Amino acid sequence: DAKTTQPNSMESNEEEPVHLPCNHSTISGTDYIHWYRQLPSQGPEYVIHGLTSNVNNRMASLAIAEDRKSSTLILHRATLRDAAVYYCILRDSGAQKLVFGQGTRLTINP
Amino acid sequence: GAGVSQSPSNKVTEKGKDVELRCDPISGHTALYWYRQSLGQGLEFLIYFQGNSAPDKSGLPSDRFSAERTGGSVSTLTIQRTQQEDSAVYLCASSPQAGTYNEQFFGPGTRLTVL
Repeated sequence: DAKTTQPNSMESNEEEPVHLPCNHSTISGTDYIHWYRQLPSQGPEYVIHGLTSNVNNRMASLAIAEDRKSSTLILHRATLRDAAVYYCILRDSGAQKLVFGQGTRLTINP
Repeated sequence: GAGVSQSPSNKVTEKGKDVELRCDPISGHTALYWYRQSLGQGLEFLIYFQGNSAPDKSGLPSDRFSAERTGGSVSTLTIQRTQQEDSAVYLCASSPQAGTYNEQFFGPGTRLTVL
C-alpha cells in the first residue's frame, strides 16, 4: 500500500478555513485519495474522495496537486464539531480495505 | 435511517476466555468489514466479507480470531483464549457494495478489555 504523510496535529479557530495537507509521493495511477475523520469516541466517517480533479461536497473540498503527489482537505468554515482525527488514505482501484495511518489531530479553538 | 450497530458496546473479560462481538450492518449493504483500533497499532483491517464470496482474512492477527457472516447480514467476530494484547476497540463497517468508490459506514465499536 502506498504511504501517506500527514502532520500529527493542527490547530485552528472556529469559523475559519482549515487546510489539512497530505503527502503521497509514491501514489500510483490507480490510487484514489480518500479522507475519513474520526470524532472522539466514534467510528470513522467518510469525508470525501477523488482521483485527479478537485472535488467538493457538503462537508469539504479536496484539492489534488497536478502531479498527484500531494493533496489538501479544505474545511471552509470550521466548527467545534470538526475537531477530530483526519485520515488521508490511498485506495487502489479494486482494493477493499482501508489502510489507516496516524492521521492529523485537528483542534478547533472557540 | 439506521446505521451500523455493534454489540456489546463494552466487554470486559478475563484472559483465556472466549468472546463474541456482533455487528449489524446497514440493511442492503453487501460488503462488511472488521477493523480494530488499539493504542499501539492504530486502526488496522481484520477481515472483509462481500456477498457469497470467500472472505478476505488477510488481516486476522492469529488463528484465535475468526469471523462469520450469516445470511449475508449479521456478522460475529470471535476471539478465542483472549490475551491482554487483544484489548482494543473493534469496529465494524459496511458498504453498499465492494469497490474503491464506495464509502464505508462505521459503527460505534465494541471496546474490549482483557484483564
